[in-house]
Amino acid sequence: KAGVTQTPRYLIKTRGQQVTLSCSPISGHRSVSWYQQTPGQGLQFLFEYFSETQRNKGNFPGRFSGRQFSNSRSEMNVSTLELGDSALYLCASNLGLAGLSSYEQYFGPGTRLTVT
Amino acid sequence: AQSVAQPEDQVNVAEGNPLTVKCTYSVSGNPYLFWYVQYPNRGLQFLLKYITGDNLVKGSYGFEAEFNKSQTSFHLKKPSALVSDSALYFCAVRTGTTDSWGKLQFGAGTQVVVTP
Repeated sequence: KAGVTQTPRYLIKTRGQQVTLSCSPISGHRSVSWYQQTPGQGLQFLFEYFSETQRNKGNFPGRFSGRQFSNSRSEMNVSTLELGDSALYLCASNLGLAGLSSYEQYFGPGTRLTVT
Repeated sequence: AQSVAQPEDQVNVAEGNPLTVKCTYSVSGNPYLFWYVQYPNRGLQFLLKYITGDNLVKGSYGFEAEFNKSQTSFHLKKPSALVSDSALYFCAVRTGTTDSWGKLQFGAGTQVVVTP
């Protein structure tokens, strides 16, 4: 079974621009979560989507948004980029339903975003 | 609020010696705990989880973790470390809603360095 895939793997943007990152979960997984990883703040939860609905949200400004499609693929968008948005953005998927045997998330390789 | 702490930024161990990476947690209700490992320029790989049951949890690559409720700890262990175990290790706790396994709070991470 293919793992979580993220595109693009690397991205360089200029302050003020916007960016869209894509994530394809493991087949059959209905929950997709996004995390931001930086040296200073570590791993921080952005949001989780399940069945095209945002189920959980972290403490990030409204410039960070996401969505999920009917095939469970997800995108996240960052508008008006700031230098501090430079980070590794990780996507993770899991089955998304309580009561099943698998509770862990499976992570993709990440998208490295550099804002100049 | 749910949180985890990893008190050591780095752990140094000689190959063949036992490896321990410490994690303490603070949760309201039942703790659901995870260990992940991250190699350079890669996403996170799941190692093991504690949901319920035996306090000693066995995971991937020879790792195990001991859940200790009285000490609120979930330390990761490996009896004999390999140079290839050198990586960044994260402890995490589930913080999402009842049906959600897609929101984790991560510790700051512990860099493990195994020397030949």
